[in-house]
Amino acid sequence: ETGVTQSPTHLIKTRGQQVTLRCSSQSGHNTVSWYQQALGQGPQFIFQYYREEENGRGNFPPRFSGLQFPNYSSELNVNALELDDSALYLCASSSSPNYEQYFGPGTRLTVT
Amino acid sequence: GESVGLHLPTLSVQEGDNSIINCAYSNSASDYFIWYKQESGKGPQFIIDIRSNMDKRQGQRVTVLLNKTVKHLSLQIAATQPGDSAVYFCAERAGGTSYGKLTFGQGTILTVHP
Repeated sequence: ETGVTQSPTHLIKTRGQQVTLRCSSQSGHNTVSWYQQALGQGPQFIFQYYREEENGRGNFPPRFSGLQFPNYSSELNVNALELDDSALYLCASSSSPNYEQYFGPGTRLTVT
Repeated sequence: GESVGLHLPTLSVQEGDNSIINCAYSNSASDYFIWYKQESGKGPQFIIDIRSNMDKRQGQRVTVLLNKTVKHLSLQIAATQPGDSAVYFCAERAGGTSYGKLTFGQGTILTVHP
């Protein structure tokens, strides 16, 4: 059984650019949640995807969007990058929206 | 709004000691609480969870206590080892939602000295 994987590991982008981050859920999990973790802070919920639909959203602007695919992997897209978007982006998968969430290693995004 | 906070941002202990990490939460509607461990460069790792209908749950070397009266959560680690050094987060989930949004506290840095 493989755990949650994310790609890329690190990414550097320029303000105003767009970025796509990817997440493969743990085998048997149909739900993916995305979190943003700023340096020295706890993760903050961005949104959750369940059966290819957005199933809940945190306090993030519309330029943060996502997708979930039939194999339950997911993408996080961020448009018009701002300096404050620099953070560790974590995805977590679970076997159901309200079940235990297991996190991937994260993607470190730096916006310059 | 809901928030989860920690009383102590840092905790330093000697190997073999017992550690206690505390957490206060403000959302009385929360029905599920989790402790995560995060090592440098890694994602949070699930340690133990507890539902609001319980006040204590034990795992291997760890115990979580929940006091709903004062909205307080604690993680006890027995015989702390250097490998336990990490940042520990408590997280809560509000009841009555169809999705599992977790609200995290700011974290406590645990340092275990050999």
